[in-house]
Amino acid sequence: DARVTQTPRHKVTEMGQEVTMRCQPILGHNTVFWYRQTMMQGLELLAYFRNRAPLDDSGMPKDRFSAEMPDATLATLKIQPSEPRDSAVYFCASGEIPGTAKFFGPGTRLTVL
Amino acid sequence: RKEVEQDPGPFNVPEGATVAFNCTYSNSASQSFFWYRQDCRKEPKLLMSVYSSGNEDGRFTAQLNRASQYISLLIRDSKLSDSATYLCVVNSMGTDKLIFGTGTRLQVFP
Repeated sequence: DARVTQTPRHKVTEMGQEVTMRCQPILGHNTVFWYRQTMMQGLELLAYFRNRAPLDDSGMPKDRFSAEMPDATLATLKIQPSEPRDSAVYFCASGEIPGTAKFFGPGTRLTVL
Repeated sequence: RKEVEQDPGPFNVPEGATVAFNCTYSNSASQSFFWYRQDCRKEPKLLMSVYSSGNEDGRFTAQLNRASQYISLLIRDSKLSDSATYLCVVNSMGTDKLIFGTGTRLQVFP
């Protein structure tokens, strides 16, 4: 049963620290998305990649967030420095064919103190 | 105005009831439509795609009205296990971005 995996599942850190979240998309999926979910804003798209190339990161605060795909099996989302307002659940999703449904990982629950 | 709007609910219904959710979207170029389901502290999971002619999957029926730019989800014979948040999702032609509504919460009680 193919799944998107994410690590870590939970992260508690202090303001100012660097946070790195990792995602392994479903094998063969060529689009990868990063979403952030909060109670107030719901699910917001931060960035997405197709064939490892960034296509859109307009939803991401550029000064502190960065997203990369070092290879087809790994996507990373980094926050440096982290702030309390970054506390949220960060989901990775992957998809195969443009315009079709995407499949989500279990998320990383981030708390910045 | 948000691109995808939903009534947040909650909708509290007894088992066996029929319940319907609507969702409106602002971008007329939207091409693909979905309903996702999200349980508490879990990831969103695809419930069903929504096709122009409407489609049914067991107790669930989805409809699309392009002229009025809204999507609906009908759940018949509600079960306790249907309690969740239902997310309306659209994506625009030429992009692969899925835009999510904030969700409608459903609580089915015995």
